[in-house]
Amino acid sequence: QAGLTQPPSVSKDLRQTATLTCTGNSNNVGNQGAAWLQQHQGHPPKLLSYRNNNRPSGISERFSASRSGNTASLTITGLQFEDEADYYCSAWDSSLSARVFGGGTKLTVL
Amino acid sequence: QVQLQESGPGLVKPSETLSLTCAVSGYSISSGYYWGWIRQPPGKGLEWVGTMSHSGSTYYNPSLKSRVTMSVDTSKNQFSLKLSSVTAADTAVYYCARHAELDYWGQGTLVTVSS
Repeated sequence: QAGLTQPPSVSKDLRQTATLTCTGNSNNVGNQGAAWLQQHQGHPPKLLSYRNNNRPSGISERFSASRSGNTASLTITGLQFEDEADYYCSAWDSSLSARVFGGGTKLTVL
Repeated sequence: QVQLQESGPGLVKPSETLSLTCAVSGYSISSGYYWGWIRQPPGKGLEWVGTMSHSGSTYYNPSLKSRVTMSVDTSKNQFSLKLSSVTAADTAVYYCARHAELDYWGQGTLVTVSS
């Protein structure tokens, strides 16, 4: 099953901006967009954004998502230590009739 | 507030069938949405297991399709997962979640496959 491609790790300084990327194809990210999930160690994933830039209630405006072609991005501004977590993207693949995930990006806030 | 809670055995023997149930509160499954399972092996990323509609249409991970069965019980407002012929590779935290937006998740339940 083809998955989405995410960089394994990103490190940024406190209060800086981090942009995480997620690359798929025209059947998944390029079709219906991507969801972004945040997961802290030992906790279930938490939805940050769905179908590119729809934020669920309660999610900080510091988190914003976008898409360009087959690549989705999650931008986190004003990084806080609490943002240190694993971030996953996911999309429905219309060709496979399957949900695909990225391998996850571990964000470290220095 | 929608809440999901997984339940089932935490230990399953190799070659046996893993069975989990997800109880939903705060929303009636029969009203709509899709529901499904995602798993996470220890120290690894998320893997989609399967998704089903409130009416029973199912979509399974191709790599698991021959072993997976999902079902819904609207009278109990819960849905279930069965994974047959398990091996150690099926050891994971299993999450139930509301699809397609993945907006609500259970806390997850660790299932270990071991004799």
